[in-house]
Amino acid sequence: DSGVTQTPKHLITATGQRVTLRCSPRSGDLSVYWYQQSLDQGLQFLIQYYNGEERAKGNILERFSAQQFPDLHSELNLSSLELGDSALYFCASSVRGTGISYNEQFFGPGTRLTVL
Amino acid sequence: SQQGEEDPQALSIQEGENATMNCSYKTSINNLQWYRQNSGRGLVHLILIRSNEREKHSGRLRVTLDTSKKSSSLLITASRAADTASYFCAIAQGGSEKLVFGKGMKLTVNP
Repeated sequence: DSGVTQTPKHLITATGQRVTLRCSPRSGDLSVYWYQQSLDQGLQFLIQYYNGEERAKGNILERFSAQQFPDLHSELNLSSLELGDSALYFCASSVRGTGISYNEQFFGPGTRLTVL
Repeated sequence: SQQGEEDPQALSIQEGENATMNCSYKTSINNLQWYRQNSGRGLVHLILIRSNEREKHSGRLRVTLDTSKKSSSLLITASRAADTASYFCAIAQGGSEKLVFGKGMKLTVNP
């Protein structure tokens, strides 16, 4: 158990819909990262938040957005869903000290999204 | 685009044998991390090696890093059936903390 929790575990929805994935980082971790894992694209970085602020952006679609709340949990919002959005979505967290510290990222169990 | 490339893409061995996986990358890195994933489940962090380190050990795992060749290897000694999983290398590069993952390597350990 990494200490990172994600809900829900599975999500089945229809094209055009909007869903919210939730992540709670390990206690004390300030950075949260979102990754998407699909068969064709592999594991792709989407976005990073640090202590409530967006820190880095990857290949995140405009239909997707995220935020990190004062209690440090994070939500990833996916809208206007398409079949190709079906994937495993992982949240990871890490400790970040002063400056940039390159630390282990600990991954949650993921949310499996199926778009029908 | 994915930077880390694991080699081989699949490996099948007998229990007790050693398994070696290689990872090559293209840019300078801050660190390289290895992860394990069991059949569509979460990623488990195995080991992190920083760019100024050459070798690290953790239990039955040994990781080496050769920054001149832009490559790393993960050695699992005395493998067990429970080591059956996909293994990924991931790099943190430049001024970014995000991880860039390889496509993964599937290891099968036969009892």
